[in-house]
Parts: sequence; C-alpha cells; structure tokens
Amino acid sequence: EAAVTQSPRNKVAVTGGKVTLSCNQTNNHNNMYWYRQDTGHGLRLIHYSYGAGSTEKGDIPDGYKASRPSQENFSLILELATPSQTSVYFCASGGTGAETLYFGSGTRLTVL
Amino acid sequence: GEQVEQLPSILRVQEGSSASINCSYEDSASNYFPWYKQEPGENPKLIIDIRSNMERKQIQELIVLLDKKAKRFSLHITDTQPGDSAMYFCAAMTNTGANTGKLTFGHGTILRVHP
Repeated sequence: EAAVTQSPRNKVAVTGGKVTLSCNQTNNHNNMYWYRQDTGHGLRLIHYSYGAGSTEKGDIPDGYKASRPSQENFSLILELATPSQTSVYFCASGGTGAETLYFGSGTRLTVL
Repeated sequence: GEQVEQLPSILRVQEGSSASINCSYEDSASNYFPWYKQEPGENPKLIIDIRSNMERKQIQELIVLLDKKAKRFSLHITDTQPGDSAMYFCAAMTNTGANTGKLTFGHGTILRVHP
C-alpha cells in the first residue's frame, strides 16, 4: 500500500505563531493534497499540488500556504496560527487522474 | 466548486441488517465516486468506488449505486457486522487538468451496528 507519512503527529501552537506541517510520500505520486477534518464538516480541501513546484488553492485556502519542493514532499504552512485552525490535518497522495487517494495518519493541531 | 451532500449523519442498525448511505452532488462533470471508511483515530481508507460509466458495483457485502441523471450515489452494506461500525465518507472527483483532479467529500456518516 502507498506510504504517506506526516509529521508531527501532534502539535500545540500559540496564536500568532508559525506552524509547518510536513508530508512525505514514497510512491512517486504526482498529486498531493492537504485536507482538514472537523466535526460536522467532513474533510475539506485546503491546498493541492500536481507536481514539484506547483501548488493550487483548494476550497478553504485562507490562512494557509503550501509548498511542494520535490515530488516526495508537500508542506502546509500557517504563517499566523489562529484558534480556528485547531483541527486534524490529513495529507494525501494520488497518482495520475488523482483517483484513489492514500491518506497519512493525520496531524492533530491545537492552537491556543 | 463541487458540493457533496451526505445523509444521514448518524445511522444505527442491528447486526445482520442492511445499512444505506446516500449522497448527492452538483457538478455533472464529476466522474469518479469513491467511498472511504474511517475508524476512530485512524486515517480514511478507500473501501469501494464507482466510475461514471457504471451504475452498480459490488464488492462482497458492499454495493454502490450511481444515478447520473439524478446526480445521486449510494452505499449499501448488507449483513452488517459490529466491525462495520465507523465513519463513512462519500466523495466526488472533479477533473482540474489533464492529469489531476480533486476530491470533494461529504460530511460523513457515523454508522453504529448494534449486536
């Protein structure tokens, strides 16, 4: 099965601080995604990428930036974290056509 | 963008009975509809999917139906077992380019199978 690794697994940040969530996939998938999961909202797409050097805005990109420096790595950056960004964040990767997505184990972020 | 509605939000059934989850979508160009199962504290995992050129697909006790005209699709779990208790998500894929697309998820259904 495809391997997607997220770090850290848990993170506590202060309001106004900078947070970087990292994701690494070893399956040579072109497409990578960042979702957040909140009760009552399901999984919502923040940013995605279809290859190294590319990032695209998803459905809820405000307050987030993304970086895809290589095929394997895709980061989500919160420049000024706010309590409303407290959530569980999932990274996912998928091959051409972005059909089957393979999810990482998630990062639980708490912003105080 | 695409919107996916999923109902019900909570579903309680007796072991051995069937469970059905219904989803609807808005974008008629959506062409791929996967279903994910998520156990508590785990990541979502694909359990079954259907493409727009099909109306029905079955894998063991899982059946998915797609009605493109009505823009509805559904998951049916026959002979439910306690191990089927989990969160289930439907999703619809919209192509955003030649080799990429994005999945829009429903809000999820918590399924509880009671012995």
